[in-house]
Amino acid sequence: DIQMTQSPSSLSASVGDRVTITCRASQGIGNDLGWYQQKPGKAPKRLIYAASNLQSGVPSRFSGSGSGTAFTLTISSLQPEDFATYYCLQHNSYPPTFGQGTKVEIK
Amino acid sequence: EVQLVQSGAEVKKPGESLKISCKGSEYSFISYWIGWARQTPGGVLEWLGIIYPGDSDTRYSRSFQGQVTISADKSINTVYLQWSSLKASDTAMYYCARREGGSYDYWGQGTLVTVSS
Repeated sequence: DIQMTQSPSSLSASVGDRVTITCRASQGIGNDLGWYQQKPGKAPKRLIYAASNLQSGVPSRFSGSGSGTAFTLTISSLQPEDFATYYCLQHNSYPPTFGQGTKVEIK
Repeated sequence: EVQLVQSGAEVKKPGESLKISCKGSEYSFISYWIGWARQTPGGVLEWLGIIYPGDSDTRYSRSFQGQVTISADKSINTVYLQWSSLKASDTAMYYCARREGGSYDYWGQGTLVTVSS
């Protein structure tokens, strides 16, 4: 199975901060990666697909980049509703595998 | 709008059987793979398997092969995840999700399964 290493596991940030989360794949996955946001008690919600495509309805402050083995999710200006846990998910090779998650907390 | 609606929370004893469901609506149910994932109490997400409701083609992750059974009833737009003998380690939140273009776009609301004596 492909291993997805996500960092950091948690971070503290203030409203308005720029936040960057990274995922590294144990082998090349092209651009077969999505980013998901999960709030307590809720299902994951897709933010980004194919590494850099913004899901319809998702604010433009979210962006994704990368290909191959290194990927980044960036929140350009953190808003109060963005405090949540974020996961990457690769679907290049079966089974799909998730990163360990990054919890974004209020500083 | 596309919806996946899962069955309600379950509390079971070790050794008992269980079948949970995921019903799709507002899209061509037989044309999209549906996957099952679980989230442990610690937050770790793992993939169990996927099924194509059109012909019930099913694939399991190695870790869950033989541990669970995934099935579908396309006449009622529903996929299932079942256990024949639950263990305490099966305690988790279980999600179904639709596969679109390889990625997973719509998710069910989750079904909490608690296994405790």
